Amino acid sequence: DTEVTQTPKHLVMGMTNKKSLKCEQHMGHRAMYWYKQKAKKPPELMFVYSYEKLSINESVPSRFSPECPNSSLLNLHLHALQPEDSALYLCASSQASRNQPQHFGDGTRLSIL
Amino acid sequence: AQSVTQPDIHITVSEGASLELRCNYSYGATPYLFWYVQSPGQGLQLLLKYFSGDTLVQGIKGFEAEFKRSQSSFNLRKPSVHWSDAAEYFCAVGAAYGNKLVFGAGTILRVKS
Repeated sequence: DTEVTQTPKHLVMGMTNKKSLKCEQHMGHRAMYWYKQKAKKPPELMFVYSYEKLSINESVPSRFSPECPNSSLLNLHLHALQPEDSALYLCASSQASRNQPQHFGDGTRLSIL
Repeated sequence: AQSVTQPDIHITVSEGASLELRCNYSYGATPYLFWYVQSPGQGLQLLLKYFSGDTLVQGIKGFEAEFKRSQSSFNLRKPSVHWSDAAEYFCAVGAAYGNKLVFGAGTILRVKS
């Protein structure tokens, strides 16, 4: 069983919809991450939160809006997405110090119609 | 900048045969190295990590990896492959700044019976 829980597992949305992806961890980690993964490709980092503050934004379009309400939760708010945003979205967490191993959830499979 | 090269896109081995997956990294200092495995429809699972010390690292599921500084390599090995090992394997190096991982392109392992 994964220690990082992501919901929903699957999401289909239209380009005008607003939806949110959720991620939860109870390992006491203070760094949390969002990745986007296309088929047969490695994960691409989108955002990093460290101690509930956004520390890295990899030039992600503003239609993706992250939020870290507390040390256990991470959200990704989606609005006006494009078909090319269809992908697997992975959440991960780790200790906040550098180069700690990251623990991944099973992801949300997102399809944009 | 850091980079990771996994020269083999696909590898096919027979069940019970030994396995070696190659990983070469580029990093100026002592690297933090990781191997992850991803089964279809799932997130990434950490197999093992190298930070310092003993260059032969043991991981989960019977995997091991050897760090060779002279060759800038961190190859993953398993003495006897099981059908359940069929998956995609990613090598990663910790970035010089921030809590970032630099992933290789991945190697897809197929196991034939």
